[in-house]
Amino acid sequence: QKEVEQDPGPLSVPEGAIVSLNCTYSNSAFQYFMWYRQYSRKGPELLMYTYSSGNKEDGRFTAQVDKSSKYISLFIRDSQPSDSATYLCAMGPNQAGTALIFGKGTTLSVSS
Amino acid sequence: DSGVTQTPKHLITATGQRVTLRCSPRSGDLSVYWYQQSLDQGLQFLIHYYNGEERAKGNILERFSAQQFPDLHSELNLSSLELGDSALYFCASSVDGGELFFGEGSRLTVL
Repeated sequence: QKEVEQDPGPLSVPEGAIVSLNCTYSNSAFQYFMWYRQYSRKGPELLMYTYSSGNKEDGRFTAQVDKSSKYISLFIRDSQPSDSATYLCAMGPNQAGTALIFGKGTTLSVSS
Repeated sequence: DSGVTQTPKHLITATGQRVTLRCSPRSGDLSVYWYQQSLDQGLQFLIHYYNGEERAKGNILERFSAQQFPDLHSELNLSSLELGDSALYFCASSVDGGELFFGEGSRLTVL
């Protein structure tokens, strides 16, 4: 079983839709959870960072962490064409205590 | 702009060759991480340096090596290249090991 599982999609939605992206993980030692967004031909950029179970909201984005189920989610409200990108979940620390483990990413396309 | 600079952006080389990828971290960041991104494996952690010292190794092949210099820039050396080494190589820097700031990557094509 991989440490972090993420459905690669692709996911296609119309503009204005609510998008739900998810990851599951197996390592109960993970303490912090992040979502990165990666546009084509660019490096990943941090979108959301949560340190514990619960919800965190930032504008149209909400991150949820359920440590008991080892499940994290990212919700995007009122999706826009500019949200079209690959979304990577990340969590850490890894066994060495130093790095993030990433999911493979979900490719999202929002059509206008 | 993340503040992390990687060169070269693109590199095409032949099997068996050796290449060096360079990374300049954000000002003030002591940690540099190298990741490899391929379509089938996603972002894979290779190695982490902190203030010139190796801190952790991930899925890094023996043909690959890295170092971090006193001015904190880092280089990733890839030798005896194989077709399967074709990928995007990202450098990231961090203050405290939590949030990582990524460069735009070096795309390596091995023919």
